[in-house]
Amino acid sequence: GENVEQHPSTLSVQEGDSAVIKCTYSDSASNYFPWYKQELGKRPQLIIDIRSNVGEKKDQRIAVTLNKTAKHFSLHITETQPEDSAVYFCAASPFSSNTGKLIFGQGTTLQVKP
Amino acid sequence: EAGVTQFPSHSVIEKGQTVTLRCDPISGHDNLYWYRRVMGKEIKFLLHFVKESKQDESGMPNNRFLAERTGGTYSTLKVQPAELEDSGVYFCASSFFNRETQYFGPGTRLLVL
Repeated sequence: GENVEQHPSTLSVQEGDSAVIKCTYSDSASNYFPWYKQELGKRPQLIIDIRSNVGEKKDQRIAVTLNKTAKHFSLHITETQPEDSAVYFCAASPFSSNTGKLIFGQGTTLQVKP
Repeated sequence: EAGVTQFPSHSVIEKGQTVTLRCDPISGHDNLYWYRRVMGKEIKFLLHFVKESKQDESGMPNNRFLAERTGGTYSTLKVQPAELEDSGVYFCASSFFNRETQYFGPGTRLLVL
């Protein structure tokens, strides 16, 4: 069935370093890939998304890349800050479902040490 | 603009009891989704409403779960009778007709003892 694998499950970096989280998806027809950030006790917030007709998208310190051939997409955070500490979820919208439901990865707990 | 709201924020019940969760989507959002996150695992899709109609309920675990969206506004998710494995965080999300950007509520933390 539809599946999204996310790695690593935990990631600890020093403030100012970069962080990279990777996801792979199983449905080659997936066409929409959002990333959500969930801070402790808060709701998941969309931080960036990419559609299948684009290979890369950047928003300040955050960027997402998509490799449709390999069915990979990645989140890159540069110049990390303590407030970037949170759980990050990748997701894919399987085109085959035609409902807009999201298939999520398992989440990555990012810790940025001051 | 008010975001997606959910009630209650927390619920602790005993096995066999009934619990009803409520979600109020962003005004004007036709699409409403329910998801669940069991401890430490991925957020899993439960079902999708378009207005008052169930578009996809393929993620509903079993017939102990009943979702409704009367009038196409708020939605309720009832679990009856609750089992231990139903514990988790239940999220609601909503979106406009184009279905892509989904806005999440804060979730309801359900603990079944």
